[in-house]
Amino acid sequence: DAGVIQSPRHEVTEMGQEVTLRCKPISGHDYLFWYRQTMMRGLELLIYFNNNVPIDDSGMPEDRFSAKMPNASLSTLKIQPSEPRDSAVYFCASSSQGAQPQHFGDGTRLSIL
Amino acid sequence: EDQVTQSPEALRLQEGESSSLNCSYTVSGLRGLFWYRQDPGKGPEFLFTLYSAGEEKEKERLKATLTKKESFLHITAPKPEDSATYLCAVQNYSGYALNFGKGTSLLVTP
Repeated sequence: DAGVIQSPRHEVTEMGQEVTLRCKPISGHDYLFWYRQTMMRGLELLIYFNNNVPIDDSGMPEDRFSAKMPNASLSTLKIQPSEPRDSAVYFCASSSQGAQPQHFGDGTRLSIL
Repeated sequence: EDQVTQSPEALRLQEGESSSLNCSYTVSGLRGLFWYRQDPGKGPEFLFTLYSAGEEKEKERLKATLTKKESFLHITAPKPEDSATYLCAVQNYSGYALNFGKGTSLLVTP
């Protein structure tokens, strides 16, 4: 069975550029989560969706970050404009129900120069 | 605010040397406590969910236990392939986000 698929795996770009990360959840999973992992802060929730609707975006750092889920097979996380402090590994996870285990993709390693 | 503290930060074991990892938590209504394993360059891989104090779950050399304040991940006779970072996370009744600890980095040497 295909797991959660994230693209790109690595992204290096210059400060001020727009960055778009993509996630394809496991088929049939109704919940999709975006997390960010840094050495200093560990894994932190950014936002999560239920049936393509954003439920909790309290972890989104600021207006430079936006996330969408146009359909059940795709979610995007956009950073515009990007800053060096956004450098981190961004993970997407999905679950069949909210209380069920979340299954993670292998992440996007983002470096903003 | 929910808090999750894992100890030790790093642990080095000889192959076959059993030990335990600790996850202390404070949460406003525990829905579930989750253990994950993370290998370098990979996403967290789900291991266990525990829902109530006294519950235990086992998988191969791993056993997870839960009390009202902490959870332990016991590793019996570890092998080098058990080397990874082990993450603990809590989920409360106000939503479905996971609140993670910083993890324990485990190295098992032959």
